[in-house]
Amino acid sequence: QVQLVQSGAEVKKPGASVKISCEASGYTFTKYFIHWVRQGPGQGLEWVGIIDPSDGTRNFAQKFQGRVTMTRDTSASTVYMELSGLRFEDTAVYYCARVIGPTADFFEYWGPGTPVTVSS
Amino acid sequence: EIVLTQSPATLSLSPGERATLSCRASQSINSYLAWYQQKPGQPPRLLIYDASNRASGIPDRFSGSGSGTDFTLTISSLEPEDFAVYYCQQRSNWPPLTFGGGTKVEIK
Repeated sequence: QVQLVQSGAEVKKPGASVKISCEASGYTFTKYFIHWVRQGPGQGLEWVGIIDPSDGTRNFAQKFQGRVTMTRDTSASTVYMELSGLRFEDTAVYYCARVIGPTADFFEYWGPGTPVTVSS
Repeated sequence: EIVLTQSPATLSLSPGERATLSCRASQSINSYLAWYQQKPGQPPRLLIYDASNRASGIPDRFSGSGSGTDFTLTISSLEPEDFAVYYCQQRSNWPPLTFGGGTKVEIK
C-alpha cells in the first residue's frame, strides 16, 4: 500500500532553516509527482510547490521563491523540502502529497504532516 | 492566480440530512476540480476529482458536479463521520495550485 512517512516536528527560531523529509513506499517512486502543502493553525490549505522525483524538476508558489528548496534521493525514495529565512507566519503543518495520476495534480495520498513552529 | 470561493463557510445540519457545498472559481477551470474532507489532526482525504469522479473507496453518498466556474459537492444523507471541513482545489491553471477557504459541516 502507498505510504508517505514524514520526519518529526520541528521548533525553529526566526531566520533559521528547516528541512523536512517525506519517504515514499508502496509504488514506483519516480512515476508520480510529489507536492508540498501547508496549513497554518486554524487555517486553510496552501500549496508550496512540486517536485518530479524522476528528474528533480521543481516549481514553487511565487511567495516561497528564493526561500524554498526541494530535492529528492531516488535511492531512498525520499523527497525533501527546505524552507529558509523562517518567519513566525511559517508556523504550520507541512504535508507531502502524491498525485493521483501522472497528469492529474490532485492529491490521493498524503503524509501525516510535519508541524513546524517558529518561535523566538 | 485562480481564486476559489467556497460557500457557506459553515453548514449546520443533522445526520440524515442532505448537504450541498459550493465552490466558485474566479475564471473557468473546465472540470479540473477536486474536493477533500479534513478532520481535526488528520491530513485531507481526496473525495472527488475532475469535478465528478469519486476517488477510490469513497462512499456513493458523496457526489460532485459542475464545470467552468461553479461546482457542487453533495452529501446525500449525512453520516456522523461526515462532519468535517471540506476544501475544493483546482489544477486548471497553475502554478499556483489553489484551494478554497473551506466549508465546515457541523452537527446542528
